[in-house]
Amino acid sequence: AQSVTQLDSHVSVSEGTPVLLRCNYSSSYSPSLFWYVQHPNKGLQLLLKYTSAATLVKGINGFEAEFKKSETSFHLTKPSAHMSDAAEYFCVVSGEYNTDKLIFGTGTRLQVFP
Amino acid sequence: ETGVTQTPRHLVMGMTNKKSLKCEQHLGHNAMYWYKQSAKKPLELMFVYNFKEQTENNSVPSRFSPECPNSSHLFLHLHTLQPEDSALYLCASSQVAAGYNEQFFGPGTRLTVL
Repeated sequence: AQSVTQLDSHVSVSEGTPVLLRCNYSSSYSPSLFWYVQHPNKGLQLLLKYTSAATLVKGINGFEAEFKKSETSFHLTKPSAHMSDAAEYFCVVSGEYNTDKLIFGTGTRLQVFP
Repeated sequence: ETGVTQTPRHLVMGMTNKKSLKCEQHLGHNAMYWYKQSAKKPLELMFVYNFKEQTENNSVPSRFSPECPNSSHLFLHLHTLQPEDSALYLCASSQVAAGYNEQFFGPGTRLTVL
């Protein structure tokens, strides 16, 4: 069965420093992987997606993620954090037999300090 | 209106009330979803409608009753809820196709059951 583990429930960084949000997945086949962001009192917005094309995926707002099959990881990075990046981030894997189904991680709350 | 809209944004109800949540998507998608987001828990998929047919009911109690009259509208009818049903209810839509499944989310309805 598919599953996803977000290794940190909270990450705090200073504005202008790099961001790293970690995600490991479990899948018996080649999955599709996503990162979504949720700002307070808002719905989820897609940041980026991996669908078996290039392993380094670039998303919106300067975020990118690298699919590493050997490490079963899909970590999210950004070179320089901005105050507006403070939000909850979700790593998501597609379901094995039904691509309608998405399996969400528990989320990582990113705090950005001035 | 663009994207996925949800009404109401906030709802407070007693355990004996009957209320409905509404979701509308303006993206021309053919699948719609209800999710429940509780504090400190992964996002839980409740229902999936694909071409207006329910394709997933993720062991949701019968006090939650979905309705999908057409591919643009989705309702969640609520009756005799329990306090533990208090959560953020998110609606999403997607265009089902071969391969991955990118879902677009509404802002959610914050439900409080007294």
